[in-house]
This record gives sequence, structure tokens and C-alpha cells, in this order.
Amino acid sequence: EPEVTQTPSHQVTQMGQEVILRCVPISNHLYFYWYRQILGQKVEFLVSFYNNEISEKSEIFDDQFSVERPDGSNFTLKIRSTKLEDSAMYFCASSLLTGDGYTFGSGTRLTVV
Amino acid sequence: GENVEQHPSTLSVQEGDSAVIKCTYSDSASNYFPWYKQELGKRPQLIIDIRSNVGEKKDQRIAVTLNKTAKHFSLHITETQPEDSAVYFCAARRTGSGNTGKLIFGQGTTLQVKP
Repeated sequence: EPEVTQTPSHQVTQMGQEVILRCVPISNHLYFYWYRQILGQKVEFLVSFYNNEISEKSEIFDDQFSVERPDGSNFTLKIRSTKLEDSAMYFCASSLLTGDGYTFGSGTRLTVV
Repeated sequence: GENVEQHPSTLSVQEGDSAVIKCTYSDSASNYFPWYKQELGKRPQLIIDIRSNVGEKKDQRIAVTLNKTAKHFSLHITETQPEDSAVYFCAARRTGSGNTGKLIFGQGTTLQVKP
């Protein structure tokens, strides 16, 4: 069964540093998403991406965040200057259509120290 | 704004008993309702979903019911087994033209099935 892959599985970074989280969505999917989950809390929507542009973003997704699909296969989330409160599990997801169920990646645990 | 409320936050049952988790959504335009199971440290995995044109859907020991008028939907697990122990999340979203596919999640229910 096709999978969404994410790298790295765990990233530790110093506060103020930039991080890039990487995702390879399922190859024929058209819609891409990033979610985050702070430890012990619910999954929160960050951003959706379609046709090479952001289609919707949440209040969490401020100017420190950006997304990119640089080469037609990778889908990246960049946090420009990390804060302690950015520590969370970040999940990438993709779907063929907006009406389909998602396939989530295995996640990247980001720890900001 | 859009919100999904989920209850209970924790649920403990004996093996073989049934478990019911309930969710309420605020956006009346929501028409797709998936349920995810998340084991510790792992990704959410879709276990069942229901669309607004259906009132009930069943897959072996798992069933979901939807009441669009009341904006409620519920997950029912029968004959629970220890391997059902996990965190369960409900979610809701709009689908169709112009919608982005954003999922709004409930707060999660930690289900413990005691052997």
C-alpha cells in the first residue's frame, strides 16, 4: 500500500534556528497538508496546499512558517526561527481529492531546546 | 468558528464489552466524518469514515452513526480487545468544490481495554 514518508523522524534544534521538515506524499495525490500535535493534545491543522499554492492556513501558520513543493515529489515545511512552543509532532498528509480520506505520514518529532 | 467536541476524554472497559465515543461538530456544512486510531508515538490511522448522505456504517466490530440534524456522530466498538487500546480521534470536514480538505479534530479519547 502506498505510504507518505517523512524525514527526519526526530529533530532536535536550538531555539531560533531554522528547521525544514520533509515529506514525500503519495505520487498521484494532489492535495497536501501539514498538521501538528503537541504531546498529549489533539491534532491541529496547519496548512493545505494544492496546485503549487497554499489553499488554506490556520492561525498557527504565521510568518515563521512556509511550505514548498520544490521538485514535484517533496513537500516541505520550514520554520524560520523556532520557538520552544514549536516542539510537537508534525504530520504530513496527502489525498487525491478533498473528499477522500487522508494518508498521514509517520511524523517528525521536533524538539526545540 | 469550526469546532469538534469529543467525549469522553478517557474510557476504560473490560475486554469483550462495548465502547462508545461521541462527537459533536459546529460547522453545519461538514459532510465527511472520519475516525482515527492513534497508538503511542505513531501516526493517526483511519479506521472508519462516514459521509453525510448515510446514517450508519459498519465494518466488522466497528460502527459509526451520524445524526446530521443534531450534528452528532459516534463510534461504536463491540467485543473490545486489548489491542483496541489507543487514542481515538473524530474529525469533520467539508468536501467538494472550493473546499481545501482541512480536517478539524476532536480532542481525543484514550480507550483502555482491560484483559
